[in-house]
Amino acid sequence: IAGITQAPTSQILAAGRRMTLRCTQDMRHNAMYWYRQDLGLGLRLIHYSNTAGTTGKGEVPDGYSVSRANTDDFPLTLASAVPSQTSVYFCASSSGTEANEQFFGPGTRLTVL
Amino acid sequence: GQNIDQPTEMTATEGAIVQINCTYQTSGFNGLFWYQQHAGEAPTFLSYNVLDGLEEKGRFSSFLSRSKGYSYLLLKELQMKDSASYLCAVLNSGYALNFGKGTSLLVTP
Repeated sequence: IAGITQAPTSQILAAGRRMTLRCTQDMRHNAMYWYRQDLGLGLRLIHYSNTAGTTGKGEVPDGYSVSRANTDDFPLTLASAVPSQTSVYFCASSSGTEANEQFFGPGTRLTVL
Repeated sequence: GQNIDQPTEMTATEGAIVQINCTYQTSGFNGLFWYQQHAGEAPTFLSYNVLDGLEEKGRFSSFLSRSKGYSYLLLKELQMKDSASYLCAVLNSGYALNFGKGTSLLVTP
């Protein structure tokens, strides 16, 4: 693994189903984030984690949950998917230092029907 | 609240110079970032400004005025590969970035 990876690359999901998007980084970054990107709305923060064991809500957290059991992994779960959650999801990580450059994963394209 | 504004679209000619502006009104300020995003790809870091002034990095420069809540990204000697979306983002409290909606730049021959 080099950098930050996401799985799956894309997924078509029936409404009401549960789905977990995976994110793993090998840079030993303290902070991790989940964004969704929709046409005309830009990147919006769903949840974040400043360090392992802690999480926080971003701008659009409803319908999503996260966990941060260790430094490397930050899964995003949709408990019961709805069509409005159709989007491209990006995971990102940063060292959490002052400059706080964020490194983004390749994204997951999710379609909820 | 958070408000970050940048133009939706811009067009420029190969070899020219283009300036993409970003204005912001945010609660707290710990720096401003510019990211580049090609279609279908992840955003990649371009620049970071936390103090007023100009930061130059090759063909790209970024300027910040904290008192005016204003930044711009300057791209010189435009190349076709510079066609992309450019995202302005503000780091306020904590570590989370607030992104503008992005500026789609088209470079024409």
